[in-house]
Parts: sequence; C-alpha cells; structure tokens
Amino acid sequence: DGGITQSPKYLFRKEGQNVTLSCEQNLNHDAMYWYRQDPGQGLRLIYYSQIVNDFQKGDIAEGYSVSREKKESFPLTVTSAQKNPTAFYLCASSSPGQKFSGNTIYFGEGSWLTVV
Amino acid sequence: DQQVKQNSPSLSVQEGRISILNCDYTNSMFDYFLWYKKYPAEGPTFLISISSIKDKNEDGRFTVFLNKSAKHLSLHIVPSQPGDSAVYFCAASARSSASKIIFGSGTRLSIRP
Repeated sequence: DGGITQSPKYLFRKEGQNVTLSCEQNLNHDAMYWYRQDPGQGLRLIYYSQIVNDFQKGDIAEGYSVSREKKESFPLTVTSAQKNPTAFYLCASSSPGQKFSGNTIYFGEGSWLTVV
Repeated sequence: DQQVKQNSPSLSVQEGRISILNCDYTNSMFDYFLWYKKYPAEGPTFLISISSIKDKNEDGRFTVFLNKSAKHLSLHIVPSQPGDSAVYFCAASARSSASKIIFGSGTRLSIRP
C-alpha cells in the first residue's frame, strides 16, 4: 500500500532528552513536511523539504532539526531546546501539481509526543 | 499574522441539512486552496481543492466556492451526514512558494440527529 508511515505513534520524552520521530513515504513524492498541532489549534509548519539534501525552516523551527538524506525519509528531531514539545506531530508529502493547480499534500497518521 | 483564518471554531448542523464552512485569507498571492477533514488522533485527509482560475469546484456532496475579490472561500456539504462530524481545515498556497502550504485553525463540525 502506498502511503506515509510515521513512528512511533506515541512517544514519551524526559526533560532534556532529544527524540526523533520517523517519517517514511513510498509515494515517490519530492516534497515532505512536518507540522505540529496543539490541542484546539491549527497546523503549524515546522520544516519542509522540496528535494533530497535540502530543507527550509517553517514558522516554528526553533528547537527542531531535520535531515533529508533519502527521498523517502524525513525524520524530525525534537531537541531539548524545544520548550513546549508536547503536541501531535504530522508528517506530510506532496508532488508538484499540474498547470493551474498547486500542491496537494497527504498526511501520515501522526505521532503524539508527551514530555514527562 | 494569520494568513488563513477560520473564524468559527465550531458549527452544529442537523443531519440532512447543508453545512457551510467559511475561510478567509489575506495574502493575494495565494492561488490554490484546499480543504482537509480530520478525526481525533488521525492525520488530516484531503477533501477538495480549487485553483484561483475557478470560482467553484464540486465533488459529490462537497462543493468549494472561491470569491477572489473578497478573499473568501467556503465549503458546502449537502446533505450533511453523521460521518461528516470532524474538524475541517482550510489551506492555501501560492505558486511562487508552492511547497509552503498555510493552514487555518480549523472548524469543528458536529452533525446532530
């Protein structure tokens, strides 16, 4: 089945620890994204990558890091510098749209990160 | 500064009636708009999109209307069904930065019997 796989679904982090969320896609999409959703709020862009070995900061990149060594993979590391990491994290991917249409992005199932 | 705004956090509609979800945007460079549906603890799923060259796009029970002069779009669901109860996100992108898609804060739709 084609899709986007995020793991783990639930993750607990202790204060001061770095944790990495995995995201893999087999849709052959060029672009990949990480969003964060806080309870009762919308989706905020953390990082995105348009091609392998390239990525850009989104609106809330502080305290996060990413890598894009392979087209299929876009892991997100939540570092100890992120002061409020408890949230629902969503990975997504997209391909360039046709003329007169933009990108449609497709999401994984999400990962819950809780600081304990 | 919110570039995509969904001013109604929640909406309750009777089953069988029309649900209308609204979205406003401020960036005149946006030329592609999308609606997503999200259930709790799941990733959003794509519903329908519209390009700025159109003012209406229909797919089954879902229709999206775009009013460029007012920088406003709306999603109509008719007839509304219990399974439509979810959070709906409006999103927008500009061709110049097509990889950066901006989402609204969402509207929680509840369909009552």
